[in-house]
Amino acid sequence: QSVLTQPPSVSAAPGQKVTISCSGSSSNIGNNYVSWYQQFPGTAPKLLIYENDKRPSGIPDRFSGSKSGTSATLGITGLQTGDEADYYCGTWDSSLSAVVFGGGTKLTVL
Amino acid sequence: QLQLQESGPGLVKPSETLSLTCTVSGGSISSSTYYWGWIRQPPGKGLEWIGIIFYSGSTYYNPSLKSRLTISVDTSKNQFSLKLSSVIAADTAVYYCARGLKTVNWFDPWGQGTLVTVSS
Repeated sequence: QSVLTQPPSVSAAPGQKVTISCSGSSSNIGNNYVSWYQQFPGTAPKLLIYENDKRPSGIPDRFSGSKSGTSATLGITGLQTGDEADYYCGTWDSSLSAVVFGGGTKLTVL
Repeated sequence: QLQLQESGPGLVKPSETLSLTCTVSGGSISSSTYYWGWIRQPPGKGLEWIGIIFYSGSTYYNPSLKSRLTISVDTSKNQFSLKLSSVIAADTAVYYCARGLKTVNWFDPWGQGTLVTVSS
């Protein structure tokens, strides 16, 4: 059971938009920055969004992040088949003094 | 650019100690801005944070692993290491090392990961 809650899977058609939610509490998302990671099968996770809504160099602006209260959202527009991957949110939990991750969401581009 | 590489045995017997090393290249491990972490992923499952270490040697551990875990740093070799004692089958996972940014707590870059199987 992960501290952060994500939907196990989401799907959408190519060209469409999808959002992935990440729900937590005041001890984690509510008072700390959220990051998002993209992971393709057999490869290491890659930083996609940091500090709630910032994109590292090289990440297309089709990817966006937002945070409101104790929840965060990853948005992906103009979906491509190459976006099919697992997506994880992560943040610091001040009560646990630990980094916590969501359980991950598998994105399928139909 | 900064690169991280995990190394260590791919097979560990139950009740023994799992030992891994992460070698950092392209930059110094002795930074007060960053920390160095271990994350694992059991086959077919999600990410689990193991713990982090600052170059000064300060550590934070996953509470569920704390009693079995030691993370250390060797600044002279630009490496940091993980030791997990009394391993069981549930410790079978791909183990990743990564650099983290202090205060804002994101990980980048990550090593490629190494599969460690616990089996007799």
